[in-house]
Amino acid sequence: AQSVAQPEDQVNVAEGNPLTVKCTYSVSGNPYLFWYVQYPNRGLQFLLKYITGDNLVKGSYGFEAEFNKSQTSFHLKKPSALVSDSALYFCAVRAREGTDKLIFGTGTRLQVFP
Amino acid sequence: EPEVTQTPSHQVTQMGQEVILRCVPISNHLYFYWYRQILGQKVEFLVSFYNNEISEKSEIFDDQFSVERPDGSNFTLKIRSTKLEDSAMYFCASRGSGTYNEQFFGPGTRLTVL
Repeated sequence: AQSVAQPEDQVNVAEGNPLTVKCTYSVSGNPYLFWYVQYPNRGLQFLLKYITGDNLVKGSYGFEAEFNKSQTSFHLKKPSALVSDSALYFCAVRAREGTDKLIFGTGTRLQVFP
Repeated sequence: EPEVTQTPSHQVTQMGQEVILRCVPISNHLYFYWYRQILGQKVEFLVSFYNNEISEKSEIFDDQFSVERPDGSNFTLKIRSTKLEDSAMYFCASRGSGTYNEQFFGPGTRLTVL
């Protein structure tokens, strides 16, 4: 069965420091992987995706993510965190074949301190 | 930038009542979805819709739920007889025709069943 794990409920980081939000997945075949961000009282905003090709994908607001097939991971990263990055981050997977529903992780709350 | 809109933002209803949640997907999108997020839990897939019919539905999407695209712009989710456990944030999403395209989410409707 498809699943996504985000092992950290919350990540705290100081402004200007690099951040990493972890995600691992389980899916039959090759996956489509996504990161979404949710600000308070807002919907899910698309950040970036991995479909195929380069393992390092770049997205909105300076975020990037690294796909690692052997570790079945898709960690979200940013070289220098901003206070405004504080939000809830969701990793999601879609199986390549047969379905386009998204399976979401439980979310990780990122808190960036000034 | 085009966006998915949802109305109302908050709906309060009595148990057993019917509710209709409304969504206006991005205008040139062809694939439509409903997800829900019970407070404190992960975002869950409910249903996908394409070419005026359901493509896929989850176990949650039982006979109490229905979806409709009544005209060229709206996409609705109806719950016939609401239960307390239907209380959740309901997100509508839409996607363009490309296989690799991401889903764009609306801001959500918070449904409270009393």
